[in-house]
Amino acid sequence: EAGVTQFPSHSVIEKGQTVTLRCDPISGHDNLYWYRRVMGKEIKFLLHFVKESKQDESGMPNNRFLAERTGGTYSTLKVQPAELEDSGVYFCASSRRPGGHTEAFFGQGTRLTVV
Amino acid sequence: GENVEQHPSTLSVQEGDSAVIKCTYSDSASNYFPWYKQELGKRPQLIIDIRSNVGEKKDQRIAVTLNKTAKHFSLHITETQPEDSAVYFCAAPDTGRRALTFGSGTRLQVQP
Repeated sequence: EAGVTQFPSHSVIEKGQTVTLRCDPISGHDNLYWYRRVMGKEIKFLLHFVKESKQDESGMPNNRFLAERTGGTYSTLKVQPAELEDSGVYFCASSRRPGGHTEAFFGQGTRLTVV
Repeated sequence: GENVEQHPSTLSVQEGDSAVIKCTYSDSASNYFPWYKQELGKRPQLIIDIRSNVGEKKDQRIAVTLNKTAKHFSLHITETQPEDSAVYFCAAPDTGRRALTFGSGTRLQVQP
């Protein structure tokens, strides 16, 4: 079974530019999560999809962040325009069941650096 | 929502020694407590988890203990080896949010 894959693995962009991160979850996993880890801090929840629907986006920092999951398969997370404080590692995770009561499988992350 | 505190932030031990990482949580309804290990440059991976109907679970050199009354759980690694060096994250479910809430991570360094 293929794991969760994320693209790109690294991205360096200038402040004000746009970046789009992609996540392909494990096939058959309806639940898809985006998390972010800023240097040395916790892996912080951003949002949760169930299939193509946003179940919870209360962790999104502001309206410069837009996540989509068209067709309930892969998901994208767009940051526009990027700010310096958006730097960090963005993780995607997927699970068969929701609610944080079962293993979440993580991608390798996208390290975003805004300069 | 759930709040998870993890300590210590860094831990250095000699090879063969034991390592203990502790976490506390706030939501008394939480009933699933996983531990993830993230090696340098790799994805976080589940290494052990425990549900609230048991107080301890072991898998070879790693074990997790849970005290529901005190709302804390711990990861114990015995006979540490250099390949145990990694960042370890504890987590607990945010039942309102229906997602895991993670601790801030512990960087474990095992000195050969």
